[in-house]
Order: sequence, then structure tokens, then C-alpha cells
Amino acid sequence: DAKTTQPNSMESNEEEPVHLPCNHSTISGTDYIHWYRQLPSQGPEYVIHGLTSNVNNRMASLAIAEDRKSSTLILHRATLRDAAVYYCILRDSGDSGYSTLTFGKGTMLLVSP
Amino acid sequence: NAGVTQTPKFRILKIGQSMTLQCTQDMNHNYMYWYRQDPGMGLKLIYYSVGAGITDKGEVPNGYNVSRSTTEDFPLRLELAAPSQTSVYFCASSYIAGSMETQYFGPGTRLLVL
Repeated sequence: DAKTTQPNSMESNEEEPVHLPCNHSTISGTDYIHWYRQLPSQGPEYVIHGLTSNVNNRMASLAIAEDRKSSTLILHRATLRDAAVYYCILRDSGDSGYSTLTFGKGTMLLVSP
Repeated sequence: NAGVTQTPKFRILKIGQSMTLQCTQDMNHNYMYWYRQDPGMGLKLIYYSVGAGITDKGEVPNGYNVSRSTTEDFPLRLELAAPSQTSVYFCASSYIAGSMETQYFGPGTRLLVL
């Protein structure tokens, strides 16, 4: 599986936008970029995913670089409830067969009031 | 829907004891997974199943066994507990539709082996 690189931690203030970066320089053409987050003492939850185009949903936006070697998860207005560990994961959806998700250490987002 | 449920929430085991961690999902998902998460680390895949009767090893399967007799249930068995198995265990289930897969996680089981 292609690997991702994320900062260990980031800080933000409440009500401000947050940009969480992810580098994946060895991404293949069939790798989708998935983001999950894990709130304290809970299991991870799905946030968003994309292939080439930028994506938006009710939780966040995903901006994907044109060369696909990096992406950014954007939280438009951080709240205290967004404090969590955010995981950037590549999943191969090609014809090579079934592919599981590999979770790294992620980025711990701290949100201050 | 209850989603993915796990029991127990917390357990203390002595070295050499055995136990089964229960996992049930009510979303009719074919795919189910067991992960462990050590303090400050990401999740590591122990075993997964792509359907009833089919299981496969993940990254860290040693010391564990699984079975999948029904779509809903995916129990994880620890036969001889060791301190290295102290961790938080998460069960997850998912469906795959084309390129899209969303995994739904349970609340976790915290296991302490002394």
C-alpha cells in the first residue's frame, strides 16, 4: 500500500478554518484518498474521500493537488467537537483485488476556545 | 439501527487466560474487521472477513483467532492472553460499492492483561 505522511499535531482556534495536510508522493492511479477521524475514546469515523477532483460534504472539504501527490482536509469552521485524530488513508480500488485500509498515526487536532 | 456493537467494554485478564471479544453489526455488511490500537498509535488490522465463512489474516494476527458463521457476528478469540495484547480492540464493518468503502466502527473493547 502507498504510504501517507501527516504532521503529528496541529492547533486551531474555535470558529477558524483548519487545513490538515497529507503527503502521498507514491500514490498510484487507482488509489482513492480517504479521511477518517477518531474522537477521544471512540472508534474512527468516516469523514470524506476522493480520487482527483475536490470533494465537499457536510463535514468537510477535500482538496486534491493536481499531481495527486498531496491533499488537504479542510474544516471550514472548527468547533471544540472537531478535536480528534485525523487519518489520511490511501485505498487501492484497482483490479489487484480486495484492499484493506491502513491507519497510520494521523494528525492530532487541538481546538482552543 | 444499533450499528456495530462490541462487548465487553472493558476486561482485565490474567496471563494465560482466554476470552472472546464479541462484535455484532445490524447493517447487513459483508465485510468485517478487527483492529487493535496501542496507546498513541494508529490502528493495526488483526483479521478481516469478506463474508460469512471467509476470514483472512491482517497485519498482526498472531495470538488471535476469528470465525464468521453469520453475516452479523465476527467474534475475536484470544487463547493465551499475554501482556503484549493489552490494547483497545475495535471491530468494524463495511460495504463496498465500486470505489466507495465506508467502514463503521464499534465503540471498542479495552483489554488489560496482567
